[in-house]
Amino acid sequence: KQEVTQIPAALSVPEGENLVLNCSFTDSAIYNLQWFRQDPGKGLTSLLLIQSSQREQTSGRLNASLDKSSGRSTLYIAASQPGDSATYLCAVLGGATNKLIFGTGTLLAVQP
Amino acid sequence: DGGITQSPKYLFRKEGQNVTLSCEQNLNHDAMYWYRQDPGQGLRLIYYSQIVNDFQKGDIAEGYSVSREKKESFPLTVTSAQKNPTAFYLCASSMVIGLATDTQYFGPGTRLTVL
Repeated sequence: KQEVTQIPAALSVPEGENLVLNCSFTDSAIYNLQWFRQDPGKGLTSLLLIQSSQREQTSGRLNASLDKSSGRSTLYIAASQPGDSATYLCAVLGGATNKLIFGTGTLLAVQP
Repeated sequence: DGGITQSPKYLFRKEGQNVTLSCEQNLNHDAMYWYRQDPGQGLRLIYYSQIVNDFQKGDIAEGYSVSREKKESFPLTVTSAQKNPTAFYLCASSMVIGLATDTQYFGPGTRLTVL
């Protein structure tokens, strides 16, 4: 059964700092890995999608990497801003189940 | 504007009542999903639908029911059989199920509270 783990559960950094969020998964048979952002009391917004054949994707100050063999992904946020404060969720689309399996998220606070 | 709408934003239910959460999308997506989110837990799949008049149970379907009579609509009913329904409910859609290049688009959510 696929399990997705995100570390740390919460992170507080000063504005301007570069940071890395981690995601690990137990079954490497995936179609893709996705990173989402969730603001308090809101729905999820897709940030980046990495297909299983890809190693990384970039969007603005965000860069996500995927190492399928080791079951790991990182989300790198450059020059963090207070507006980046949110919960970041990692999810994998399972090859066997066609379902999106979510981690529990990392709550990020960027202090001005 | 294209997107997914959910209503109501807040919903209160008394013990023994059934309630229905609305989800509508105008993205012309075939696939739709319902998730439940509890504090400290990831999203858990309740039901999903690949096409009109077809739907499948997810990981936590007990106490819930759905219908898919129209492509753009996928309402979720929380029945009295669901013993712990207080949670944040999220609806999502995607072009199809299981496509490696496809992401899911989420609605703003409905917070259900049992009184």
